[in-house]
Parts: sequence; C-alpha cells; structure tokens
Amino acid sequence: KAGVTQTPRYLIKTRGQQVTLSCSPISGHRSVSWYQQTPGQGLQFLFEYFSETQRNKGNFPGRFSGRQFSNSRSEMNVSTLELGDSALYLCASSLAPGAPGYEQYFGPGTRLTVT
Amino acid sequence: GQQLNQSPQSMFIQEGEDVSMNCTSSSIFNTWLWYKQDPGEGPVLLIALYKAGELTSNGRLTAQFGITRKDSFLNISASIPSDVGIYFCAGQLRRGGATNKLIFGTGTLLAVQP
Repeated sequence: KAGVTQTPRYLIKTRGQQVTLSCSPISGHRSVSWYQQTPGQGLQFLFEYFSETQRNKGNFPGRFSGRQFSNSRSEMNVSTLELGDSALYLCASSLAPGAPGYEQYFGPGTRLTVT
Repeated sequence: GQQLNQSPQSMFIQEGEDVSMNCTSSSIFNTWLWYKQDPGEGPVLLIALYKAGELTSNGRLTAQFGITRKDSFLNISASIPSDVGIYFCAGQLRRGGATNKLIFGTGTLLAVQP
C-alpha cells in the first residue's frame, strides 16, 4: 500500500508570491492534517480535514488555507508569502479523526524556501 | 505555538547502550504517541498509547503513558546505529468531537556511535 504522497518535495518562492502544496493520503484514509515544522517553533498544527470539511484549525494567520476534495486529496495554500513561512510542511493521513487505533501517518513533506 | 517539554534535548551514546527520554505537559492528554524523524523525511510512528498507566513495546522500544496523563516515557534498549534520528513525543486530546490535532514535543536528537 502506498504511503502519503506530497508534491512538490522542494519549492523556492519569492516574498509576496503564493504557493499551493498537495497531499494524497493513504488509500482508504479520509482524514488529512497539515503541520508546519521549523527549527524555532518545531512541529505546529495547521488544520485538519475530514469528508471535505475543516474540523480544526491551528493558530496561524488567514494567509494559510486549505481544502479537501471528494477523493480525500488535500491542498494547502499560503498567500503573500513571508520569509518566516520557510519551513517543512507535513501532511498526515488517518482513517478518521481522533479514534483510538486510527493513527496518523506522515508524508515526506514539502520543503518551502521563501527568498 | 504550543510545544511539550521533552528531555533530554540530545543524547550521544555508544552502540549497545540503553536510552531513556521523557515528555511532560501542563495539560492532560488521552493519547500519547512517539515518532522518529530522519533527515529530510516525515515523522514515522513508533508507538501509540491510549490509557493512563499503559506500557507498550515495539521491538526494542518501550513506552509508557504516565498515570497523571501529563507525561510519557520512551526507552530504547541495546541501541544500534540505525536508531540515530530525532524522536518526538506527541499528545492528543479527544474531547467531544474527534480531532487528529497533535501537540508535539521539542524533540530529542539521538546519536549512536558504533
């Protein structure tokens, strides 16, 4: 069974631009969560989606948004990029939110560099 | 952002030694997870704990869910070079509606010398 896929793996953008990252969950998984990882703040929760609905959102500005499609694939978008948005963006999938035994499995991440 | 306190921050050990690390929180959780992350990769789930006091093993790894629900411990026995990486604890609180939101620890960097 294929794991979580994230594209692209690496991305370089300029301040002020916007970016869209993609995540394909493990087949059969319907819940997708996104995390930002930086040296200073560590791993921080961005948002989670289940059945195309955002169920929870972390403490990030409105420039960060996401969505989930009917096939459970998810995208996140960052508008008006800032230097501080440089990070590893990780996607995690699970069968459903929160239930014991429905562990989350992470993808390899997208490394975003903002110059 | 919120992070759990994880210690030690780093460990440099000899192959064959045992390793212990722990994670503490000011809040209670009803699920504790331990992940390992290699450079350039996403975290890989090692152990999941769902009940206070629970002790769970996965090969040479053993983790415990603290009685107070505010801490967790991970032990690695007889370390080998491939144990090198960053270990993260993560807490999850399922309250009312289910959520996958994880609060991660600050990480423990493990280096193993052959």
